[in-house]
Amino acid sequence: DVKVTQSSRYLVKRTGEKVFLECVQDMDHENMFWYRQDPGLGLRLIYFSYDVKMKEKGDIPEGYSVSREKKERFSLILESASTNQTSMYLCASRWGSGRIHEQFFGPGTRLTVL
Amino acid sequence: DQQVKQNSPSLSVQEGRISILNCDYTNSMFDYFLWYKKYPAEGPTFLISISSIKDKNEDGRFTVFLNKSAKHLSLHIVPSQPGDSAVYFCAASAGSGGGADGLTFGKGTHLIIQP
Repeated sequence: DVKVTQSSRYLVKRTGEKVFLECVQDMDHENMFWYRQDPGLGLRLIYFSYDVKMKEKGDIPEGYSVSREKKERFSLILESASTNQTSMYLCASRWGSGRIHEQFFGPGTRLTVL
Repeated sequence: DQQVKQNSPSLSVQEGRISILNCDYTNSMFDYFLWYKKYPAEGPTFLISISSIKDKNEDGRFTVFLNKSAKHLSLHIVPSQPGDSAVYFCAASAGSGGGADGLTFGKGTHLIIQP
């Protein structure tokens, strides 16, 4: 069974704080993704990574950065949290080879920025 | 510019009846489509998918239909059960597969199954 875990289910931070969201997958997946989910907006891609130390911007990268030092771990960083970054953050992973499009999601981190 | 559209924010269906969730897309480069189901406070779980070379894929109570000329797909659930109450996301993927491109999601449809 594929398992994607996220370090926190709920997080409360203050404006201006640096925030780290961690994601770990145990299936040796090459590709990893960060999305945010907001009511009425669906899931939007923030950043993705297709290999260790590689990263690509998604649709809404502003205000975020990522780090992938090891294959199983993909971190999302909010350098200076703002209230408009209050959201549900979802990490996903996928195999990189072949025509396999399915992504496996973690349980999500509900981040509130005060 | 929304490339994947789910025009019904919510849908209410009686238990035992058929649920039909619709999805439209605009990007002709999309060649693979997926449906995800999401319960509150949980991550989305994969439900069913279809490649653009097919027009139908079936898995138990779930069937996805693809009409490429209309750029439209639909998810049929029959019979609908109370546990099917969730938000359903339509997603699409472009490219040759195996690339790291993310999925493009619709805004979701909240399906409510009434007893």
